[in-house]
Amino acid sequence: AQSVTQPDIHITVSEGASLELRCNYSYGATPYLFWYVQSPGQGLQLLLKYFSGDTLVQGIKGFEAEFKRSQSSFNLRKPSVHWSDAAEYFCAVGAEGAQKLVFGQGTRLTINP
Amino acid sequence: DGGITQSPKYLFRKEGQNVTLSCEQNLNHDAMYWYRQDPGQGLRLIYYSQIVNDFQKGDIAEGYSVSREKKESFPLTVTSAQKNPTAFYLCASRKKIAGPYEQYFGPGTRLTVT
Repeated sequence: AQSVTQPDIHITVSEGASLELRCNYSYGATPYLFWYVQSPGQGLQLLLKYFSGDTLVQGIKGFEAEFKRSQSSFNLRKPSVHWSDAAEYFCAVGAEGAQKLVFGQGTRLTINP
Repeated sequence: DGGITQSPKYLFRKEGQNVTLSCEQNLNHDAMYWYRQDPGQGLRLIYYSQIVNDFQKGDIAEGYSVSREKKESFPLTVTSAQKNPTAFYLCASRKKIAGPYEQYFGPGTRLTVT
């Protein structure tokens, strides 16, 4: 069965520091990969997605992610975080023919001033 | 602007009452989904639909019901059989049920049952 693991439940970084959120997936087929962000009490907003091609994808708000097939990973990165980046981040995976996306449990990001 | 609307934002009900949460999309998407979110538990799929008049149970369908009479609408009813209905409910849509398409999410409805 397909699964998505976000190993870090909660991460705290200082404003201006770099960020990397981890995502590992288990999927038999070539995956479609997504990162979403959720502010408290809000819906999820798509940050970026990977379907094929260049394994380094750029998203909104200065985020990027790199697909590494050999490591079954799709880690999210940002070179310098801002206080407004404090939120919950979800990794999700789908595949050709799959009717549902599988979501990770989420990583809560706290920013220290 | 295209998007997904959920209403109301906050909903309060007494135990034993059924309640219906609204979800409307004007993206012309085929597929629609309902998720439940509890603190520390991520997203759990309740029901999904790929076409009008057709829907499938997700992982936690017990105590919930849905209908899909129109392409743009996918209301969720939380019945009195749902043991712990207090939660944050998210509706999502997707252009097609499968393939390289992302899900778009609504703003959510927070349901409190006392």
